[in-house]
Amino acid sequence: GNSVTQMEGPVTLSEEAFLTINCTYTATGYPSLFWYVQYPGEGLQLLLKATKADDKGSNKGFEATYRKETTSFHLEKGSVQVSDSAVYFCALGESNTGNQFYFGTGTSLTVIP
Amino acid sequence: NAGVTQTPKFRVLKTGQSMTLLCAQDMNHEYMYWYRQDPGMGLRLIHYSVGEGTTAKGEVPDGYNVSRLKKQNFLLGLESAAPSQTSVYFCATQLTVGSYEQYFGPGTRLTVT
Repeated sequence: GNSVTQMEGPVTLSEEAFLTINCTYTATGYPSLFWYVQYPGEGLQLLLKATKADDKGSNKGFEATYRKETTSFHLEKGSVQVSDSAVYFCALGESNTGNQFYFGTGTSLTVIP
Repeated sequence: NAGVTQTPKFRVLKTGQSMTLLCAQDMNHEYMYWYRQDPGMGLRLIHYSVGEGTTAKGEVPDGYNVSRLKKQNFLLGLESAAPSQTSVYFCATQLTVGSYEQYFGPGTRLTVT
């Protein structure tokens, strides 16, 4: 079946540090991959996506590359800011499963000044 | 353009009481979803709908019912609330099948005592 495994948190970084949050997936077909961000008290917002192998999604300084050979979609940012403090979710969407999404458990990031 | 809205934002129920959560969207999306979010468990799909008049079960459907009588609304019902249903509930929409992202509402925090 389909599933997403992402790095356990919480993660605490100093401002301007490099961020990596690992995400791996299993899928029966050809999924699209997503990263969502959730700020305290809010719903999830799309951060970036990639729809096929070797695609790179990017937004707000965050990047992730769809690696089919390693079934991974790791999230990276070169220099984090305090405002990046949030919970990050990796997700897989596959249309041959009724268009259901599969979410990881979330990784909490805190950036300290 | 309100996007995805959820009513109510907060609710406290006693065990055995019933209630209905309303999700409304103005984006003309075909697909709608109900998730619950619990600490350490990410998002779990309760029920979903691929169009007006259709619904299907997700990963954790027991104790919930849904209806989609109009394309823009997706209702989640709890017939007899239990403390295990204490959670944050999110509604999401998606344009249609394929590589499209899901859009989330702000959530409903439900406490069952």
